[in-house]
Amino acid sequence: GESVGLHLPTLSVQEGDNSIINCAYSNSASDYFIWYKQESGKGPQFIIDIRSNMDKRQGQRVTVLLNKTVKHLSLQIAATQPGDSAVYFCAETAGYSTLTFGKGTMLLVSP
Amino acid sequence: DGGITQSPKYLFRKEGQNVTLSCEQNLNHDAMYWYRQDPGQGLRLIYYSQIVNDFQKGDIAEGYSVSREKKESFPLTVTSAQKNPTAFYLCASSAQGEDTQYFGPGTRLTVL
Repeated sequence: GESVGLHLPTLSVQEGDNSIINCAYSNSASDYFIWYKQESGKGPQFIIDIRSNMDKRQGQRVTVLLNKTVKHLSLQIAATQPGDSAVYFCAETAGYSTLTFGKGTMLLVSP
Repeated sequence: DGGITQSPKYLFRKEGQNVTLSCEQNLNHDAMYWYRQDPGQGLRLIYYSQIVNDFQKGDIAEGYSVSREKKESFPLTVTSAQKNPTAFYLCASSAQGEDTQYFGPGTRLTVL
């Protein structure tokens, strides 16, 4: 498949473990954050988002935590499955219509 | 079946040739975007358009051109002036006033 994941930080977990993927951002004016999942050779897929007036948001098996004090975002995946293996990256915007993307983290889930 | 389509999935061109990548959406989104993705790097914005017949340069517009004649279509031309065109190209769209962007499946361009 396409080599999107070359040279990315990698998180290796066992099936059933909980995974935590981190993202640091630099723009203190950013007020909206998104997590995307990208499988090899495919386009990014929206997972979950959060606005800066929240510090936690939950979806199905996923939770996003936002710490504005240290400009840090994390994605928690509960009971990780082999199908969760992909590159995960965060995106942020200060409301100027364009998103700034992180480089991503590769998640490898072994059975 | 709503979504964003990009064609073709794989594209090969000889050096010095212009090539146009297709992006179509039937989500009735006003804004459309083109990104380039290289291994180990974040997505970089090439061009974006918030309304028909209008578009703006992104961070790496040199060597690329776009048009937005129809709301549902935002083709990207990679010209011979682009020094390193081999990459994975992603198109995205978003609704008016919304920050969330939804992506197409991508086109892998290889220049030989």
